[in-house]
Amino acid sequence: DAGITQSPRHKVTETGTPVTLRCHQTENHRYMYWYRQDPGHGLRLIHYSYGVKDTDKGEVSDGYSVSRSKTEDFLLTLESATSSQTSVYFCAISGQGTLDGYGYTFGSGTRLTVV
Amino acid sequence: DQQVKQNSPSLSVQEGRISILNCDYTNSMFDYFLWYKKYPAEGPTFLISISSIKDKNEDGRFTVFLNKSAKHLSLHIVPSQPGDSAVYFCAASETGNQFYFGTGTSLTVIP
Repeated sequence: DAGITQSPRHKVTETGTPVTLRCHQTENHRYMYWYRQDPGHGLRLIHYSYGVKDTDKGEVSDGYSVSRSKTEDFLLTLESATSSQTSVYFCAISGQGTLDGYGYTFGSGTRLTVV
Repeated sequence: DQQVKQNSPSLSVQEGRISILNCDYTNSMFDYFLWYKKYPAEGPTFLISISSIKDKNEDGRFTVFLNKSAKHLSLHIVPSQPGDSAVYFCAASETGNQFYFGTGTSLTVIP
């Protein structure tokens, strides 16, 4: 699916436990992003990366951390999961923007339920 | 605050007719705009884009119109087909990399 995979696809976890979601790309794209999708909110940016070990916060970064030690992998960690973090998480990638080529390619999503 | 707004949560259209999906934004610095289509249990897929140097971009049955002074863009699908039934998201960015998304409009095309 355009060289981007997310794992796991589904996860149920308990409140207070740490959780790590993985995004893996084979496109050698510089930019990687984590979004969450919630009813009534659309897609909201959590964190993004513009290179190895270069990351920045998005709109809804509280309670989340990220790491990017290799170009191909971008990890999202919920340090202590809460029920408000129940959501569908999407990873996206993009290369250097061009007039017709900018925009993201999304992964298939991870459905996370915190109980 | 939502910087990109899609005020119609849903839209129903007869097959063969035109679908018009609307999107408004608040940040006048946005220069790049995208439309994505999403089916259930799948990631969003890129549909069409436009930058602020244009006011229209066309790709087959899909046309995006941009009115920068009104901070408004719209997606026209003509003719609409049942396979177009999906949730449509608009997105906007200053730089072409970090995009802000709207809340989505669920389009149903009735055969």
